[in-house]
Amino acid sequence: NAGVMQNPRHLVRRRGQEARLRCSPMKGHSHVYWYRQLPEEGLKFMVYLQKENIIDESGMPKERFSAEFPKEGPSILRIQQVVRGDSAAYFCASSPVLSITYEQYFGPGTRLTVT
Amino acid sequence: QQQVKQSPQSLIVQKGGISIINCAYENTAFDYFPWYQQFPGKGPALLIAIRPDVSEKKEGRFTISFNKSAKQFSLHIMDSQPGDSATYFCAAQGAQKLVFGQGTRLTINP
Repeated sequence: NAGVMQNPRHLVRRRGQEARLRCSPMKGHSHVYWYRQLPEEGLKFMVYLQKENIIDESGMPKERFSAEFPKEGPSILRIQQVVRGDSAAYFCASSPVLSITYEQYFGPGTRLTVT
Repeated sequence: QQQVKQSPQSLIVQKGGISIINCAYENTAFDYFPWYQQFPGKGPALLIAIRPDVSEKKEGRFTISFNKSAKQFSLHIMDSQPGDSATYFCAAQGAQKLVFGQGTRLTINP
């Protein structure tokens, strides 16, 4: 019973490059959430997706960031032209379809370092 | 109004003692209040959660106390153990997204 999977676990990018983070939800889960955690801070909501739909992207920066959750395959968080301030841990969470409380279960995260 | 305020930032408790972490929120639309435990280099793990129609929930050594009128909730860890040393986050959920507190770094001294 695999949990939420994220890869890569660590990613180093130079300023101006693209970062692509992947998330596979738990089996039976079709809701995916992305959060960002800066050092010594709590997690901040970025985006909520269902298969082929972005439901809420109110926490996403307006430029350079995009997310998708295709019909087949993992959810992708893409950061174009990365800057030093993008260095953070990015966590993906998933929740089941039929849940009153929509418990969210988190993956191990991708730690992005921009040099 | 979307903030969740958590205190203390750090906490040191002796083994066997009670650890207490507090959170407060403003938005009355929040309808689910989970606590997460995070170890260094790992993702947050769901520990225990409560809905606002319940004043207390207990699971093993972990108890959530919830005061709806004061818009406050707290986590109590009874008989704290060195293995409980971690960062704890409270959160509040509304519209299917979580708003997290700033975290409490808990250290249990043996």
